[in-house]
Amino acid sequence: DTGVSQDPRHKITKRGQNVTFRCDPISEHNRLYWYRQTLGQGPEFLTYFQNEAQLEKSRLLSDRFSAERPKGSFSTLEIQRTEQGDSAMYLCASTRAYEQYFGPGTRLTVT
Amino acid sequence: RKEVEQDPGPFNVPEGATVAFNCTYSNSASQSFFWYRQDCRKEPKLLMSVYSSGNEDGRFTAQLNRASQYISLLIRDSKLSDSATYLCVVNDFGNEKLTFGTGTRLTIIP
Repeated sequence: DTGVSQDPRHKITKRGQNVTFRCDPISEHNRLYWYRQTLGQGPEFLTYFQNEAQLEKSRLLSDRFSAERPKGSFSTLEIQRTEQGDSAMYLCASTRAYEQYFGPGTRLTVT
Repeated sequence: RKEVEQDPGPFNVPEGATVAFNCTYSNSASQSFFWYRQDCRKEPKLLMSVYSSGNEDGRFTAQLNRASQYISLLIRDSKLSDSATYLCVVNDFGNEKLTFGTGTRLTIIP
């Protein structure tokens, strides 16, 4: 499978714990995006990378959130001190030029 | 006001019928427009781009009215497999992010 992959697919954590998600984009894609989707809503932009550089961050991305793409390939999204409001589907997408291809998402449940 | 607004539905439509979705966007500087399809508990997938001249892909027709900041999607001869949520998506000039509407849920009834 040469599409965007995300790991884990599901994560259940207790409030206050830290979680980290991984995204592996399509190999030749230089741009990588993170979005968050809650029930009944469309995806909301969080941040994006061009190669290893993080070029834009949404105001949704509080200081508890950090994203990296250290070698311009895979990316990680970490949430520290999780809150119940962080429960959502976290989607990763990548592109080389135009169409953004989405991964299957990581569904986070904070209890 | 939301940047991209859609009627959330649900739309319950008999198989074979024609269904139309509408979407409005608030930023007049928006440059690129898309319809994405999202199946239940799956990721969004690009259905089609929307061009000023209007464009058609099989049973699907998309139109853009820049003056009214309005985008539409028409599905003709609907199939059971068209059941999904349809997301209206806008990309602003010089801005890499996609801005999604809340989506319109469509169910095709046999």
